[in-house]
Amino acid sequence: DAGITQSPRHKVTETGTPVTLRCHQTENHRYMYWYRQDPGHGLRLIHYSYGVKDTDKGEVSDGYSVSRSKTEDFLLTLESATSSQTSVYFCAISGPGPEQFFGPGTRLTVL
Amino acid sequence: GENVEQHPSTLSVQEGDSAVIKCTYSDSASNYFPWYKQELGKRPQLIIDIRSNVGEKKDQRIAVTLNKTAKHFSLHITETQPEDSAVYFCAASSVTNAGKSTFGDGTTLTVKP
Repeated sequence: DAGITQSPRHKVTETGTPVTLRCHQTENHRYMYWYRQDPGHGLRLIHYSYGVKDTDKGEVSDGYSVSRSKTEDFLLTLESATSSQTSVYFCAISGPGPEQFFGPGTRLTVL
Repeated sequence: GENVEQHPSTLSVQEGDSAVIKCTYSDSASNYFPWYKQELGKRPQLIIDIRSNVGEKKDQRIAVTLNKTAKHFSLHITETQPEDSAVYFCAASSVTNAGKSTFGDGTTLTVKP
């Protein structure tokens, strides 16, 4: 499955705590993405990266930050988790073409 | 920004029948249109895609058609099988800026044996 892993795969946390999700790829692809998936909303882009230290916002970026210090790793941080951020989070990669390949997902529950 | 609408939200067919899912997009600059299949509890997986320089693309039992003038594209599955049951997502983006992909809300396809 395109050499993408996500960690953790499941996480339960409390409102107000910081959370960091990690996406790791072994494909050396340029682009990396974070999406959230909620019932009835499909996949919504949170942030994406087009290179080391190069990131841009997606349509639902409020409350999230990202970092990419190495080609293979893309981190998503919830500075202060809220219940509305309970979701399934997918990382994806692409490059050199536009085809995106998804990681296995992280199920996050914020109580 | 881009807006992608997908219909229907649910679709039920008998095994062996055809299934058609339609998407419309708003940004005429979009030129890359992939389709993803997501089985329950799994990750989305690319099943077919089309670029704006062609009107149709086939891969065995699945095909995608694109009408640039009307800004809509469709997924066609023939001779459906129970293993085709899944959620299908369309998306629209630019070949040169895949970071701006916009997804439809998904269609839950159920194939009854």
